[in-house]
Amino acid sequence: EAGVTQFPSHSVIEKGQTVTLRCDPISGHDNLYWYRRVMGKEIKFLLHFVKESKQDESGMPNNRFLAERTGGTYSTLKVQPAELEDSGVYFCASSQSPGGIQYFGAGTRLSVL
Amino acid sequence: GEDVEQSLFLSVREGDSSVINCTYTDSSSTYLYWYKQEPGAGLQLLTYIFSNMDMKQDQRLTVLLNKKDKHLSLRIADTQTGDSAIYFCAESLGDMRFGAGTRLTVKP
Repeated sequence: EAGVTQFPSHSVIEKGQTVTLRCDPISGHDNLYWYRRVMGKEIKFLLHFVKESKQDESGMPNNRFLAERTGGTYSTLKVQPAELEDSGVYFCASSQSPGGIQYFGAGTRLSVL
Repeated sequence: GEDVEQSLFLSVREGDSSVINCTYTDSSSTYLYWYKQEPGAGLQLLTYIFSNMDMKQDQRLTVLLNKKDKHLSLRIADTQTGDSAIYFCAESLGDMRFGAGTRLTVKP
């Protein structure tokens, strides 16, 4: 069974550009989460989807971040326009149930120059 | 401040035991987790413990949970160089709350 996959593994963009990150959860997992780790600090929660609906987006830093999960399968996280402080590693995770074990992808390392 | 706290660095010699400590703040956490991140890799679920347990052992790994003190520890017996990685403690409250990670360095 395939795990959580994320694309790309690394993205380097200039300040002001747009970047879209993709996450494919484990098949059958209705719950999908986005997290990020910036500057070697703790991993912070961004938002939680249950199927295609946003269950909790309290961790989204500002309106430059837009997450979607059309059809309740894969999810995208768009940053537009990107700022220097957005650099970090963005992780996606999925679980069968809301309180269940979350399995993480390898992450996307975003570098904003 | 952080909800989950852990020391940033730990250095041990190969063959010794490693103990990574973590404190968390929310007693309603259902599960507590240890994730491992090797260089250039993602987060690997290492082990977890249900909140009504005190201890869980899995081969070289022992997890101890003190709910009263909100303290979680991970002991790695016979630490190997391949255990060098960053270890994250996390509590589950729907979303996961992580510590900053402990970088374990194993010296030969």
